[in-house]
Amino acid sequence: GAGVSQSPRYKVAKRGQDVALRCDPISGHVSLFWYQQALGQGPEFLTYFQNEAQLDKSGLPSDRFFAERPEGSVSTLKIQRTQQEDSAVYLCASSLFSYEQYFGPGTRLTVT
Amino acid sequence: GNSVTQMEGPVTLSEEAFLTINCTYTATGYPSLFWYVQYPGEGLQLLLKATKADDKGSNKGFEATYRKETTSFHLEKGSVQVSDSAVYFCALNREGAQKLVFGQGTRLTINP
Repeated sequence: GAGVSQSPRYKVAKRGQDVALRCDPISGHVSLFWYQQALGQGPEFLTYFQNEAQLDKSGLPSDRFFAERPEGSVSTLKIQRTQQEDSAVYLCASSLFSYEQYFGPGTRLTVT
Repeated sequence: GNSVTQMEGPVTLSEEAFLTINCTYTATGYPSLFWYVQYPGEGLQLLLKATKADDKGSNKGFEATYRKETTSFHLEKGSVQVSDSAVYFCALNREGAQKLVFGQGTRLTINP
């Protein structure tokens, strides 16, 4: 069956540009997570949705980052006025009821 | 706060060697513990998990036992294969919480 998909897979942005990263979770999964993975590090939590409600956004590093999931399915992570320190792989994961999260392949963002 | 500390890599072994990757954690309450694996060019996949003390998670010949007294969840495999070459992440989620907290990852290379 289809897993979690993310697009684009690679994104190069000039410093100061806005970017939008998309996540398509597994159909029927109520929970959706965004993580940021810097080079050589483990993923770090950004934000969590249950259906369309954003229940935890404690990991968003600044007010330039925001995420939405308006219909409780597809989610978009938007980064405004990108900075070099935003360069990372952005991972999306979804889950049904249990703690098991299924991860997408990630979007590698490079800010030049 | 909650944190996970993993054995630093990279780790290089010969095929059929015994593998141990150490993982210790700090958390309040009774977290669930996980090992995720990231094969080259692929997304994170759940390898195994344990949800309470003394539970043993196992999959694909890998095992890890939840040791509350030593706050550890070490990953072991009796005989590694070249195809086990990947990056391994230990993770937890706090009791009642959804987000995962990851260690920094351990890169494993198995030589034929």
